[in-house]
Amino acid sequence: GQNIDQPTEMTATEGAIVQINCTYQTSGFNGLFWYQQHAGEAPTFLSYNVLDGLEEKGRFSSFLSRSKGYSYLLLKELQMKDSASYLCAVSDSNYQLIWGAGTKLIIKP
Amino acid sequence: DAMVIQNPRYQVTQFGKPVTLSCSQTLNHNVMYWYQQKSSQAPKLLFHYYDKDFNNEADTPDNFQSRRPNTSFCFLDIRSPGLGDAAMYLCATSARQGTGANVLTFGAGSRLTVL
Repeated sequence: GQNIDQPTEMTATEGAIVQINCTYQTSGFNGLFWYQQHAGEAPTFLSYNVLDGLEEKGRFSSFLSRSKGYSYLLLKELQMKDSASYLCAVSDSNYQLIWGAGTKLIIKP
Repeated sequence: DAMVIQNPRYQVTQFGKPVTLSCSQTLNHNVMYWYQQKSSQAPKLLFHYYDKDFNNEADTPDNFQSRRPNTSFCFLDIRSPGLGDAAMYLCATSARQGTGANVLTFGAGSRLTVL
C-alpha cells in the first residue's frame, strides 16, 4: 500500500529552527508537496520538490531524497504565526496525491 | 483576486437530512476536487472533475454525490448524513492533471456538524 509518515506533533521556540520530516512509500513518484494548514482553515501551498536537493523560499526550505523516500521541511526564525499543521503529499505514478496526516507544530514564546 | 469560494462555511444538519455544499472558482481551472478531512487526519479525496469528466474514488460512499454544471461551479451532495460524515469538506482546483507539479488551490472549507 501507499503510505506517508510524519510526526504527529512537534514543539519549538519562537526564533528557533525546526525540521519536520516526511517519509513515503508510494507506487511511483512525480513530486512531493508541502502544505501549511492553520487550525480550521484550508491548506495553502508551500513547496514542491521533484529532484533531489534543497529548495529554499525565504524562511522555509524543503529537501528531498528520492532514493531514501524522504523529505523534510525546514522552518527558520520561527514566528508565532507559524503555529499550524504541515502536510506532506506525494504525487504517485498516476499523478494522484497521497497525503500524510500532517504534523502539528506548536510554537512557544 | 482569483479564488476558490465555498459556501456555507459552517453547516449544521440533522442525522439523515440532506445537505448540499457549494464551491465556485474564478481561477478558470479545469480540475476541481472534493476532499473530506477529519480532525488530525489526512485529506481524503472523494471526487474530482477534469473539465466535465467525473472521477469517483473507489471507496467514496454512495451517500456522496457531486455535480459540476459548469467550469466555475461544483456541488457536493450528502444524501443522508450520518454522524461519521461530520468533517471539514474542502474544495480545491488545479490548472491541469497528469503532471507532477500540480499545485492545488483550496477554498476555506465547509465544516459540517451532524446532530
